[in-house]
Amino acid sequence: NAGVTQTPKFRVLKTGQSMTLLCAQDMNHEYMYWYRQDPGMGLRLIHYSVGEGTTAKGEVPDGYNVSRLKKQNFLLGLESAAPSQTSVYFCASSSPGRSNYGYTFGSGTRLTVV
Amino acid sequence: QQQVKQSPQSLIVQKGGIPIINCAYENTAFDYFPWYQQFPGKGPALLIAIRPDVSEKKEGRFTISFNKSAKQFSLHIMDSQPGDSATYFCAATLPTGGFKTIFGAGTRLFVKA
Repeated sequence: NAGVTQTPKFRVLKTGQSMTLLCAQDMNHEYMYWYRQDPGMGLRLIHYSVGEGTTAKGEVPDGYNVSRLKKQNFLLGLESAAPSQTSVYFCASSSPGRSNYGYTFGSGTRLTVV
Repeated sequence: QQQVKQSPQSLIVQKGGIPIINCAYENTAFDYFPWYQQFPGKGPALLIAIRPDVSEKKEGRFTISFNKSAKQFSLHIMDSQPGDSATYFCAATLPTGGFKTIFGAGTRLFVKA
């Protein structure tokens, strides 16, 4: 199984450009998440989804939008990229059971906004 | 209240040493405390996790110690190896509203051969 697949792996954007990051999981997980990772700040939750057709805001949602039209896919959009959005973006999925709320992460997308 | 504080930021130990990473939290609603291991260029991977009704959990060379009254937990790596060199994140998960997980800032561990 591939697990969680993120595309693209790298991208350079100019300020004001838009782009969409794609996350796909093949584990039939209900829950999906987008995090950003910045040096010294750990991972911060941008948006998440508890099922197909649902989305909700996390800690740092400003400047991002998401959609979950299919259970296996979770898209993160940047409508007008800013240098402050330079980061590594991780998608994760989970299927919380009685004793395991652990996430499976993708390998990340490194985004640079110039 | 949603923060998870992690220390130290970085750690260097000799092979065979026992690095210890500490974390603290405030929100008593957290119900699951995982540790993730991340190698350069990769995503974090779940390493070990504990629930607040347990004081210690061991999996191989990795042990979590949990102190519910102090709202602190720590990761110990027994007989550390150079292959354990990675960034470690502690985290805490809320059991409702999407099982959101809050991460600590991370500890970069280097194990000298």
